[in-house]
Amino acid sequence: EILLTQSPATLSVSPGERATLSCRASQSVSSNLAWYQQKPGQAPRLLIYGASTRATGIPARFSGSGSGTEFTLTISSLQSEDFAVYYCQQYKNWPPMYTFGQGTKLEI
Amino acid sequence: DVHLVESGGGVVQPGGSLRLSCVVSGFPFTDYWMAWVRQSPGKGLEWVASLKLDDNEKFYVDSVEGRFTISRDNARNSLYLQMNSLRAEDTAVYYCVREDHSSYGYWGQGVLVSVSS
Repeated sequence: EILLTQSPATLSVSPGERATLSCRASQSVSSNLAWYQQKPGQAPRLLIYGASTRATGIPARFSGSGSGTEFTLTISSLQSEDFAVYYCQQYKNWPPMYTFGQGTKLEI
Repeated sequence: DVHLVESGGGVVQPGGSLRLSCVVSGFPFTDYWMAWVRQSPGKGLEWVASLKLDDNEKFYVDSVEGRFTISRDNARNSLYLQMNSLRAEDTAVYYCVREDHSSYGYWGQGVLVSVSS
């Protein structure tokens, strides 16, 4: 089983600042990694897939990078609506298996 | 617009059964893998099961293998999750999701399943 470890668990930043969230896989997942944002009471929202491709409608301030075992989600200039919990997710080709990280809470 | 609407949640005793349904609209259902993802109260996300296009290949997380069955009815644009032998640790919000690019681009609003005596 591939485990994903996100760090930090909580990140305190101010609006306008840059936020960098990390996700480490226990073995290589190539570029099969996605990032999600979840706000209280809502379903998660896909931000990034394929490690670095923004999903439809996602603002350019969100960017993803990395491959293999080390991945990063960067939010270039935080807006008030960006404060949420962020999850990474990996996909194993065969048999299909999906794993989520434990989440990073982005707070003011 | 893409819509996924779950139903069928509720309270059930340990060992009981429940069937979740998800009706989708706004996209060609037969063109997409579908899945269920759950989230325990105050916890993170867990993939539960996935289903290929024509109901012939199904995949499960180890903890539900043999107890849960994912299925689809393409004529009704519907996805199902039959949950048997339910345990307290199955308590969660269950989301119906559409798979895009090996990730989940569209989610339902979620339905709560509570396993309690």
